[in-house]
Amino acid sequence: QVQLQESGPGLVKPSQTLSLTCTVSGRSISRGHYFWTWVRQPAGKGLEWIGRIFTNGSTTYNPSLKSRVTISLDTSKNHFSLKLSSVTATDTAVYYCARDRVTYYYGSEHDALDFWGQGTMVTVSS
Amino acid sequence: DIQMTQSPSSLSASVRDRVTVTCRASQSISNYLNWFQQKPGKAPKLLIYAASNLQIGVPSRFSGSGSGTDFTLTISSLQPEDFATYYCQQTYSPPWTFGQGTRVEIK
Repeated sequence: QVQLQESGPGLVKPSQTLSLTCTVSGRSISRGHYFWTWVRQPAGKGLEWIGRIFTNGSTTYNPSLKSRVTISLDTSKNHFSLKLSSVTATDTAVYYCARDRVTYYYGSEHDALDFWGQGTMVTVSS
Repeated sequence: DIQMTQSPSSLSASVRDRVTVTCRASQSISNYLNWFQQKPGKAPKLLIYAASNLQIGVPSRFSGSGSGTDFTLTISSLQPEDFATYYCQQTYSPPWTFGQGTRVEIK
């Protein structure tokens, strides 16, 4: 059974960099056809996809955040990380890491976020 | 970005009711559509992928249909544990985007 666990500071000052780590257990993040993903959710609001990284290290980011986001893999520690720079109060949210499973269905690739971490609340405030 | 619009935003229903939630995409997304259930304080849970495929372990009272721009999540007989918020998500073109959510409440 795959398990994901987010970790990192719960409070970040405005203009600083938010840094979170997602530790994966039950599967090597360097094997298989999976993307490792970050999603966030402001309190009482909907879900926003931040970006993802493939097992080979290639990344895709949400254009709305692209200039501030970096997602990286550390296969030796079996974890992946999120860095979001120049944060403001609008970056306050619960941050989730998740596994994006690629399934072949009638010849097409379909993505699905099948395993999630429990989420970690990050508040941006001075 | 592809915009996903769910309706209704909330609904009240009773146990054993049949419940339908709809999701509309701003452009055709074929069947690149997933459904999630989220309970308060918890991470979303994958219910349906590729529009109509039931994720392993999800009860068969959940079903999904649709293609192109219009999709439906149906709960055939609502159970107490189904009261939650439901989200659709497109995976046709990055960035993946979610609907705003449909809250299913107890009548």
